[in-house]
Amino acid sequence: GEDVEQSLFLSVREGDSSVINCTYTDSSSTYLYWYKQEPGAGLQLLTYIFSNMDMKQDQRLTVLLNKKDKHLSLRIADTQTGDSAIYFCAESSRNYGQNFVFGPGTRLSVLP
Amino acid sequence: EADIYQTPRYLVIGTGKKITLECSQTMGHDKMYWYQQDPGMELHLIHYSYGVNSTEKGDLSSESTVSRIRTEHFPLTLESARPSHTSQYLCASSATSWPYEQYFGPGTRLTVT
Repeated sequence: GEDVEQSLFLSVREGDSSVINCTYTDSSSTYLYWYKQEPGAGLQLLTYIFSNMDMKQDQRLTVLLNKKDKHLSLRIADTQTGDSAIYFCAESSRNYGQNFVFGPGTRLSVLP
Repeated sequence: EADIYQTPRYLVIGTGKKITLECSQTMGHDKMYWYQQDPGMELHLIHYSYGVNSTEKGDLSSESTVSRIRTEHFPLTLESARPSHTSQYLCASSATSWPYEQYFGPGTRLTVT
């Protein structure tokens, strides 16, 4: 079945860039998404990318998609302490009725 | 302002009680979802609905049930709560056209003693 993988932890210094990586297996993915979850809250949609695109930029966020390798990344420029959270990668697949398959989440810690 | 709401935010209840977790959205979305989030933070889809009178089971087997009588409302019910039901429950909704993005409520943290 479909599978989405992420590394579980990432620590960066305030002001540095963060890069969170994600790999997926489903070649029929239509859209890929990044969500942020802060403690005690629901998931907040950060951005998404259509599977035919290579890159999308939105202010401090840059999403890169390598469709051949089924690899997605989220780069956060000038990382701030407020960026500390869990980041989930997800894919929407035709094979899955456009339901989402979520990765396990990457816990980002921003050190002062 | 379009949004998605969940009540209660926190619930502590004894074993054997019947509970209903409420979820409502004002975005006019046809599709709605319930996820269970375990302590390791992984999300598991337990129920979803394509619209009124539609309910489907998700990937994770759950003893809960859902109903969809109105587009905006998608409650989840546990007939007899058990300690194994202790978890975070997240409700979400989405349009049924691209880009299919899901919007999440704030969650209900359920503790069964």
